[in-house]
Amino acid sequence: EPEVTQTPSHQVTQMGQEVILRCVPISNHLYFYWYRQILGQKVEFLVSFYNNEISEKSEIFDDQFSVERPDGSNFTLKIRSTKLEDSAMYFCASSVDSRSNQPQHFGDGTRLSIL
Amino acid sequence: AQSVTQLDSHVSVSEGTPVLLRCNYSSSYSPSLFWYVQHPNKGLQLLLKYTSAATLVKGINGFEAEFKKSETSFHLTKPSAHMSDAAEYFCVVSDPNDMRFGAGTRLTVKP
Repeated sequence: EPEVTQTPSHQVTQMGQEVILRCVPISNHLYFYWYRQILGQKVEFLVSFYNNEISEKSEIFDDQFSVERPDGSNFTLKIRSTKLEDSAMYFCASSVDSRSNQPQHFGDGTRLSIL
Repeated sequence: AQSVTQLDSHVSVSEGTPVLLRCNYSSSYSPSLFWYVQHPNKGLQLLLKYTSAATLVKGINGFEAEFKKSETSFHLTKPSAHMSDAAEYFCVVSDPNDMRFGAGTRLTVKP
């Protein structure tokens, strides 16, 4: 079964540095998402992306964050000037379309540790 | 606005006994509901979904869930727990505008 893949599985970065998290969505999916899960807390929606632009974003997704689909396969989340509180698991997901009854398929996540 | 509440943060069962993970939701629309499972250091795997068809939904690994509109519930059940079921389970409500995750229920299975 096709999978969403995320790299790296674990990223350790100094506070203030920029980090790029990478995702390869399922090939025929058109909608892409990023979520965050701080240790011990809920999974939180960050952003959705379709047709090379952001379709929705949460209040968490401020100017520090950006997303890009630089080529036909990768979907990236960039975090500029990282802060300690950015430490979390970041999950990428994709879906065939945006209808609410279509499930999102998740990657295994990238654990981001900010020192 | 919509929300989802998982009533138990932690459930512990013995292997071979039934599992019940409770979920209540609120939504202004007729929502779609999902259960996802997260094993340690892994992503979220879809267990099952309800999308306004049959109210009793069967998923993978022997899990099922029943949508009860009158109770605004979507509880997850399994007749007989297996050690490999130990994981975190998330109830998710989705409408045209939003997708919300519950806080999760950690299922422990004792031998």
